[in-house]
Amino acid sequence: AQKVTQAQTEISVVEKEDVTLDCVYETRDTTYYLFWYKQPPSGELVFLIRRNSFDEQNEISGRYSWNFQKSTSSFNFTITASQVVDSAVYFCALRLTGANSKLTFGKGITLSVRP
Amino acid sequence: EPEVTQTPSHQVTQMGQEVILRCVPISNHLYFYWYRQILGQKVEFLVSFYNNEISEKSEIFDDQFSVERPDGSNFTLKIRSTKLEDSAMYFCASSEAQTASGTQYFGPGTRLLVL
Repeated sequence: AQKVTQAQTEISVVEKEDVTLDCVYETRDTTYYLFWYKQPPSGELVFLIRRNSFDEQNEISGRYSWNFQKSTSSFNFTITASQVVDSAVYFCALRLTGANSKLTFGKGITLSVRP
Repeated sequence: EPEVTQTPSHQVTQMGQEVILRCVPISNHLYFYWYRQILGQKVEFLVSFYNNEISEKSEIFDDQFSVERPDGSNFTLKIRSTKLEDSAMYFCASSEAQTASGTQYFGPGTRLLVL
């Protein structure tokens, strides 16, 4: 069975600080997909990124970057120069292959960015 | 940009009553999902649906729950006799057919409160 662990529960930073959100996953499958979703205070789940298990290249999108390390089963998310609008709960999720396969979520990390 | 929509946004019901939560998935998607999130907890998978039948369901999805695609656009979750512990945010999601990566896009959720 697959599992996602987000050991950090709450993080508070001051605006413009960099922050890294950790995600560790467990699966016996060799092919899988990893995701990050953002849940702002309004409650919706916003897709941020998908990464497949064969692609260990780091990815950068504006102030967001993701570090996937298969050797440590980690898929960490860094926000550079954080802004108040980044305040949200961030979920890491794992999905096995197969078009219909469910997402297994971590417990989420509540990020508060103070002005 | 196409999006998943859900109605109602909030629903309050009495214990023992039936509720139907409605979702309109993204139009070219063929895989549909329901998840729930009890307040302050992680997002949990309930059920996946493809080709007019359930593909996978979790242990949460007992006989009190059912899903249906009554027409070409709607996807519904019915709870036959609500319990207090059914109070949660319910998210609908959909993903493309024929895409192994299958990113699931979520609707804004229905917040259900059972009194």
